[in-house]
Amino acid sequence: DVKVTQSSRYLVKRTGEKVFLECVQDMDHENMFWYRQDPGLGLRLIYFSYDVKMKEKGDIPEGYSVSREKKERFSLILESASTNQTSMYLCASSPPGGSYEQYFGPGTRLTVT
Amino acid sequence: SQQGEEDPQALSIQEGENATMNCSYKTSINNLQWYRQNSGRGLVHLILIRSNEREKHSGRLRVTLDTSKKSSSLLITASRAADTASYFCATDGSNTDKLIFGTGTRLQVFP
Repeated sequence: DVKVTQSSRYLVKRTGEKVFLECVQDMDHENMFWYRQDPGLGLRLIYFSYDVKMKEKGDIPEGYSVSREKKERFSLILESASTNQTSMYLCASSPPGGSYEQYFGPGTRLTVT
Repeated sequence: SQQGEEDPQALSIQEGENATMNCSYKTSINNLQWYRQNSGRGLVHLILIRSNEREKHSGRLRVTLDTSKKSSSLLITASRAADTASYFCATDGSNTDKLIFGTGTRLQVFP
């Protein structure tokens, strides 16, 4: 059974802290994605990685960075967390080629106080 | 640059009724996908329809695609309380592996 796991389901951090969200997939997928989901705004793409060490900015990359040192792991980093980054963060993976479904992790609900 | 917009934003029905959700998008696509999200969880893929297909079925799901109107609909027949969830359409752009998700339809099915 395919699986995408995220390091935490719930996370509470303070303003200014550096935050790491980890995502691991066991399907040997080339593509990995980080989204944030906010009420009324749907899913917005933060960053996309199409191979190890390769990344591409999504629609809302400001305030975030990513790391992909191994194929199965894609990390989202909040360099200095702010209250407006309180959100649900979803990781997904897919094979390359553009016509495949994305497999999602369970999400991390991050609260920045 | 959200491409998909779902309509309605929320839908409440009784068990056994059919639920129809619509999605509109803006640019050319290779395929359109529908996903389901239970409250507070990740998304689960339901069905993919390619741009050269007009209709596709999967169990109680029926998806249509009208590329001339840049719209798609998801029909859930004989709905159950367990179908209560949010439903999202997602479109790909040309020559990209990225998906653009709509804002979703929240479906509530009452027993």
